Parts: sequence; C-alpha cells; structure tokens
Amino acid sequence: DVKVTQSSRYLVKRTGEKVFLECVQDMDHENMFWYRQDPGLGLRLIYFSYDVKMKEKGDIPEGYSVSREKKERFSLILESASTNQTSMYLCASRAGSGGAYEQYFGPGTRLTVT
Amino acid sequence: GNSVTQMEGPVTLSEEAFLTINCTYTATGYPSLFWYVQYPGEGLQLLLKATKADDKGSNKGFEATYRKETTSFHLEKGSVQVSDSAVYFCALSGGYQKVTFGTGTKLQVIP
Repeated sequence: DVKVTQSSRYLVKRTGEKVFLECVQDMDHENMFWYRQDPGLGLRLIYFSYDVKMKEKGDIPEGYSVSREKKERFSLILESASTNQTSMYLCASRAGSGGAYEQYFGPGTRLTVT
Repeated sequence: GNSVTQMEGPVTLSEEAFLTINCTYTATGYPSLFWYVQYPGEGLQLLLKATKADDKGSNKGFEATYRKETTSFHLEKGSVQVSDSAVYFCALSGGYQKVTFGTGTKLQVIP
C-alpha cells in the first residue's frame, strides 16, 4: 500500500513564526501536492512538484513556499505564519502526470496560528 | 478554467436509504473524474473513478457514471450504512498536473 505521512497531526504556532510541514511518500511517486482544506471551500492547491527540485504554483501560493530536495519528501514552508493560515493542510502524491492517476493523501496537519 | 460543482450538505439519511450526491463539472477536453471520501480525522482516499464518457466507476456499493452529455458524475448507493458517514469530494483531472475538487458534501447516516 502507498503510504503518505505528514510530520504532525496537530501544530500550534505563533504569528510571525517560520513553520515547516513535511510530507513523505514511500512509493517513488513523481508528483506531490500541498492543499489546504477549509470549510465551504473544499481543497485548494497551494503548490505541486512534478520532479525533484521542480515546483509550480497552485491556486493560492501567496505566503507559502516549498522544497523538494529528494523524490520522497515535499516540504511546505510558511515564511511568516499569520492567523489566516490557520487551516488543515493535506499532502498528496501521484504516480504519474496523466489525468487518470489517482492521488494518495496523508492524514493531514491541523495548523493553528495564534 | 475547470470547475466542479457538487450539492451542498449536510445530507442526513436513515440507514438503508438510497443516496445520491450530485456532481457536475466544466472542463475542456476529456477529463478523468473521481470521487474521494474523507472519514473523520483522516485524509482523503479514492472511492471510485471513471476515465472516459459512459464509464461507470464502482466500489463498496457506490457507483457513478461519467455522463458527457450532461457533464455530470453523480454518486449513488442503494443502501447506506452508518459507516458511510463521511465527507465526499467530486474531482476532475483534466490536464497535465492539476486536479480540481468540489467543495465536499457531508453525509450523516443515522441508525
């Protein structure tokens, strides 16, 4: 079974802190994604990566950056956390780039910024 | 751009009732369509998918048919159980990388 793990299930940070969310997948998938999930808004794509050191902006990249130094690991960075970044963050991976491939999701990190 | 519209919830049903969750989409070309389910406290997992028009995806008693003429992919189940209580997301993958999700429909099944 494909496994996608996220470094924390719950995280509480203060405004202005630099925050790292880490995601690791164990199936050698090419593509990795970061979403945030908010009530009534569904999932919104922050960034995705289609190869090591390659990244592309999603729909809401402002205030975030990402890093993919190794194929299995994709990190989301909040450079200076703000209260409007309080949300559930979901990481996903996918085997290929074609549309028919399904995504595999981690359990999520619920981030609270105070 | 691509978009997915699904019915707002929450949907509350009694056990053994029939379930329909509507999903319609807008996309160029020939997207693949998915239903994902999110159980409480977990990430999303694939429920079923269809990759071309008239395909029917099915899993765990759930079904959805890819209807290109009506741009729809409605989720159905003949008899829901309490264990089906979850949030259901319709999604499409129309391009090289990006997946577009609906806003999710919460289903609550009461005994």
